[in-house]
Amino acid sequence: QVQLQGSGPRLVKPSQTLSLTCSVYGASVNRGLYAWTWIRQPAGKGLEWIGHIYTSGSTDYNPSLKSRVSMSLDTSNNQFALTLNSMTAADTAVYFCAGGSRYDGSHLWDQGSMVTVS
Amino acid sequence: EIVLTQSPGTLSLSPGERATLSCRASQSVASIYLAWYQQKRGQAPRLLISGASSRATGIPERFSGSGSGTDFTLTISRLEPEDLAVYYCQQYGTSPWTFGQGTKVEIK
Repeated sequence: QVQLQGSGPRLVKPSQTLSLTCSVYGASVNRGLYAWTWIRQPAGKGLEWIGHIYTSGSTDYNPSLKSRVSMSLDTSNNQFALTLNSMTAADTAVYFCAGGSRYDGSHLWDQGSMVTVS
Repeated sequence: EIVLTQSPGTLSLSPGERATLSCRASQSVASIYLAWYQQKRGQAPRLLISGASSRATGIPERFSGSGSGTDFTLTISRLEPEDLAVYYCQQYGTSPWTFGQGTKVEIK
């Protein structure tokens, strides 16, 4: 059974950089045609796609965040990571990591990490 | 950017009733890249449907998806109390991937 587990700081100061990692258990981050995705959800609001990284290493980011976001793949530790700089209160949200085939949507999700900017 | 508009905002139905949720796109979406997710309070979203109509592994048969182009539908044939949740559609064919704003399903 494949599981994802996100980790990282829960409290970030304004203007600082958020770094989150997502560990993949039960499968390789190198599995073909997979998109490893970051999504966030402010309290009481809907889902916002941040971006994703393919197993090839190519990335795609939300234009609204593109200037501040970076994603990477760490095959040696079977993880993928999110970096979001210049954090503000508007970035306070639950951050989810997710994964799935390029053609089948995201069927793997972690429980989410609440990140507060204060 | 493809904007997905879901309706209604809230659906209040009794157990056993049929629920019909709509997702309308601002431009055509390839059916293969349309998904539906269920999110219960305090939980991560769960993939229900991908490719507009393919149920994900372990999803009950009462959930079905249909549609093409700009109009897509999620149907819950007979509501169960555990179907209380917010349902989101997502297109993942055109960057940026986008979600609808969600439909909340309430059980009377």
